[in-house]
Amino acid sequence: DIQLTQSPSFLSASVGDRVTITCRASQGISSYLAWYQQKPGKAPKLLIYTASTLQGGVPSRFSGSGSGTEFTLTISSLQPEDFATYYCQQLNSYPYTFGQGTNLEIK
Amino acid sequence: QVQLVQSGAEVKKPGASVKVSCEASGYTFTIYGISWVRQAPGQGLEWMGWITPYNGNTNYVQKLQGRVTMTADTSTTTVYMELRSLRSDDTAVYYCARNYGSAGSVDGFDIWGQGTMVTVSS
Repeated sequence: DIQLTQSPSFLSASVGDRVTITCRASQGISSYLAWYQQKPGKAPKLLIYTASTLQGGVPSRFSGSGSGTEFTLTISSLQPEDFATYYCQQLNSYPYTFGQGTNLEIK
Repeated sequence: QVQLVQSGAEVKKPGASVKVSCEASGYTFTIYGISWVRQAPGQGLEWMGWITPYNGNTNYVQKLQGRVTMTADTSTTTVYMELRSLRSDDTAVYYCARNYGSAGSVDGFDIWGQGTMVTVSS
């Protein structure tokens, strides 16, 4: 199975900050990577797919990049509603594994 | 609108089975696959497998092979996930999610059900 490792696991930041979350794959996955946002008690929400394509309705302050084994999710200017847990997911091969998550908290 | 609506919470004893439903609406049911993802309390997301409603083809994660069955009823646009021989570590919120993609690939899960809490306890 392909392992995904996110860093950091916890991140404390302030409104207006620029933050970056990294997702590393144990083997190459081309650009078959998605990013999700999850708030407590809610289902995950798709933000980005194919590493860098913004899902419809997602604010442009979110962006993704990378290919192969290293990927990043960047939020250019944090808003209060962005404090949540973020997961990456690979869809290159079965099983479709997720990273362990990054908990983004308000400083 | 496009949505997936799941059945309600369940409490089961160890060794029992549970069957969770996921009713799709607002789109052509047979075009998109449906995945199941679970999340144990305070933990991350775990993909369980998926089903293609068009022909019933399935793909399950190896650790659940033999205990999980996913089925689809095109007449009611509903997908079911049955998990047997339940254990305490099966306690989780179970989500169904629509597989989004093109040209035969899955790019992400764009529509999610609200989740179904399954508690396994004696």
